[in-house]
Amino acid sequence: EPEVTQTPSHQVTQMGQEVILRCVPISNHLYFYWYRQILGQKVEFLVSFYNNEISEKSEIFDDQFSVERPDGSNFTLKIRSTKLEDSAMYFCASSGSSGGRETQYFGPGTRLLVL
Amino acid sequence: GDSVTQMEGPVTLSEEAFLTINCTYTATGYPSLFWYVQYPGEGLQLLLKATKADDKGSNKGFEATYRKETTSFHLEKGSVQVSDSAVYFCGMAARQLTFGSGTQLTVLP
Repeated sequence: EPEVTQTPSHQVTQMGQEVILRCVPISNHLYFYWYRQILGQKVEFLVSFYNNEISEKSEIFDDQFSVERPDGSNFTLKIRSTKLEDSAMYFCASSGSSGGRETQYFGPGTRLLVL
Repeated sequence: GDSVTQMEGPVTLSEEAFLTINCTYTATGYPSLFWYVQYPGEGLQLLLKATKADDKGSNKGFEATYRKETTSFHLEKGSVQVSDSAVYFCGMAARQLTFGSGTQLTVLP
């Protein structure tokens, strides 16, 4: 069964450093998403991406964040200058189409720890 | 704005007990509703979904019915197993998913 994959599974970084989180969505999906989950809190939407551009983003997704689809398979989330409060689990998801009826499939997540 | 309110945890049950995890939502329009499960150390997995009022989603013995009149999507299972121990998230989708806070379920043998 096709699945969303994410790398790395864990990342530790120093405050102020840049990190890139990588995702490989399901191959025939067209819509891609990033979510984050701060420890013990709910899963929060960050951004959705379609046709090589951001379609929606939340208030969390400020200028420190960017997303990119550098090739036909990868989808990346970059945090330019990490802050302590960026420590969280980051989930990538993909779906075949937009709209509420289409199921989003999640990757296993990248646990980011900012020291 | 859109929001999902989910029963606070943690919930601890004995094996074969009946499970209910309450979920209510606030939304404009008629969103699709989901339950996702997160097993220890893993990502979110879709458990079941319902896309319109009165739909019942079911999977692995879990059920939830989309109740428009009470804006609810409560998760139920008649007989839980130790392997059901996980965190359960209620979700609502218009364009992106909005999740509840999650309910930690522990099933004891």
